[in-house]
Amino acid sequence: AQSVTQPDIHITVSEGASLELRCNYSYGATPYLFWYVQSPGQGLQLLLKYFSGDTLVQGIKGFEAEFKRSQSSFNLRKPSVHWSDAAEYFCAVGESKAAGNKLTFGGGTRVLVKP
Amino acid sequence: NAGVTQTPKFQVLKTGQSMTLQCAQDMNHEYMSWYRQDPGMGLRLIHYSVGAGITDQGEVPNGYNVSRSTTEDFPLRLLSAAPSQTSVYFCASRTPGRNSPLHFGNGTRLTVT
Repeated sequence: AQSVTQPDIHITVSEGASLELRCNYSYGATPYLFWYVQSPGQGLQLLLKYFSGDTLVQGIKGFEAEFKRSQSSFNLRKPSVHWSDAAEYFCAVGESKAAGNKLTFGGGTRVLVKP
Repeated sequence: NAGVTQTPKFQVLKTGQSMTLQCAQDMNHEYMSWYRQDPGMGLRLIHYSVGAGITDQGEVPNGYNVSRSTTEDFPLRLLSAAPSQTSVYFCASRTPGRNSPLHFGNGTRLTVT
């Protein structure tokens, strides 16, 4: 069965500093990987996704993620954090047959941004 | 387009009561699904549907029923609420095809006392 681990429950970063959120997955076949962001009281918004091809994918809001098959990782990065990036971030892996529908989510990482 | 609309936003139930969480989408998406979100556990799939008249169980289906009589609506029913069902519930939808992302509603916060 597929699983997703986000080792960091909370991360605090200063505004303007870089951010990296870790995601490790377990899946037998080629994974379909996603990062979502959830602002307080809101639903989840897709930041970026990886299906195949270039292992460095660009997303919205200046985020990028790198797929590393050898490490079973799909870490999310942003070079310079803005106060509006304070939110909870979820990594997810999808089944190959219906990748967008049946997703397995990690436990989430809450990001706090210090002024 | 309104996207995915969930009602109500908040609900308090007593143990044993029943209720239906509503979900509607106006994007003509064939796939719809329900997740529950609990602290530290991310989102877990309850039930999903690949089209009108077709539903299937997800990871945590016990205590919940669904039906899909139209493309637009995918209600989630709690027949006899239990405190373990206290959670935030999200409905999501997407078009067919692997590259299409899930679109989420804003959630329903349910408390069962």
